Order: sequence, then C-alpha cells, then structure tokens
Amino acid sequence: AQSVTQLGSHVSVSEGALVLLRCNYSSSVPPYLFWYVQYPNQGLQLLLKYTTGATLVKGINGFEAEFKKSETSFHLTKPSAHMSDAAEYFCAVTYSGSARQLTFGSGTQLTVLP
Amino acid sequence: NAGVTQTPKFRVLKTGQSMTLLCAQDMNHEYMYWYRQDPGMGLRLIHYSVGEGTTAKGEVPDGYNVSRLKKQNFLLGLESAAPSQTSVYFCASSQGTGLRNGSPLHFGNGTRLTVT
Repeated sequence: AQSVTQLGSHVSVSEGALVLLRCNYSSSVPPYLFWYVQYPNQGLQLLLKYTTGATLVKGINGFEAEFKKSETSFHLTKPSAHMSDAAEYFCAVTYSGSARQLTFGSGTQLTVLP
Repeated sequence: NAGVTQTPKFRVLKTGQSMTLLCAQDMNHEYMYWYRQDPGMGLRLIHYSVGEGTTAKGEVPDGYNVSRLKKQNFLLGLESAAPSQTSVYFCASSQGTGLRNGSPLHFGNGTRLTVT
C-alpha cells in the first residue's frame, strides 16, 4: 500500500520569500511522485514529476522538488514567492506498473502575503 | 484545444434523485478516471477505465456507476443521490499506458454537486 502525507494544510509566506511545501510518502516499491496545483474553481494541473533519473526535478513557474529516498520525501520549493502562486498544492504517488493507484495527499493551501 | 470537458459545472439534487455527469476528452487518451474532492481529504478515486468498454472500481465506488461506450467519453452516474455525495467531482485522462510510465493526469474543471 502507498500513502502520502502533506505536512501543513495551510502555509503562508510573504511575497519574495522562500516557498517550502512538505510531502512524505510511503511505498513498498520505487515510487513515481507528482506535484499538482489547483487554482480556484479549476482542475488540477501538473507542476512536476519524478519517475527515474535525476532526483532534483524542475517544473513550471519556477518550482522544483527533490526526491530523497532516505527521507522518503519529495518537498516542493520555490526561491521567491509570487502573488500568483497562491493556490492549493497536492502531492501524489504511484508506482511503475500501476494503472490506477495514484494516491493524493490532502493538499496544502498556499497563501502569499503582500 | 479543449482537453477534458465536464458537464454540468454545477448541480443541486434532492436526496433520491438521479443524475449523470459527462466527461469528454479530445486527446485520444486510453485511460479515464473519476475522482471526488472533499475538504481535507484530497482526491479519492471513484472509478476508472483503461479503454473503451472497460471500467473498474476505485477507492470509493459505492453509490456510483460508470460507462465508457466511446473512447472519448466517460460517464458517472448517481442512481439515488445521498447528502454524503455532496462533493466536487473531477474527471481526468491520461495517455495510452496510463500511469505505468509516469504519464500525468489531465483534469477537467470539475462539477460541484450539492445533495439536499
């Protein structure tokens, strides 16, 4: 079985400050990891993903995440927050060979303060 | 480029009523999914389909039925709506091999359903 834990259901940062959204996963096999973003009244959009290879992955809008197997983590970061980054962010995990088992975390609402 | 389109966007039902949510995708994707989103619970998989004419149960299938008669469409039905089914419903699709090679999901904008 696999699971995802997102620490902090709400995170607030000032504009220009570092964004750090935490995601820890549990999987008995090598995982595929995703971050999705959801803006109000919209569906989820893919920010970035890790499948194999380089553990530091870059996504859209200046976000990146690092896969750390020893810590079972896949934290999302952005060096400088922008007002437009305010949204809800979801971490998700699946594994090679799975047709359906994309497990989502409960989400983190990011607020960017002026 | 429409992507994944869901209809309707909003709906209010009374307990016991039935309805069908329609999902259409124009990307020729094999895999399609229905999720529900509830506050603090992330997204939970209701049903999914790996191709035309096939469907399978997800994590929370009770009270829902689905059909995939055409590759581009995936219908979600509620035969007898209950207040516990008040939620936001999302349809998603992915490429031929689904999630097996890390293919991402493409989501519609959701249907907000209230059951009174």
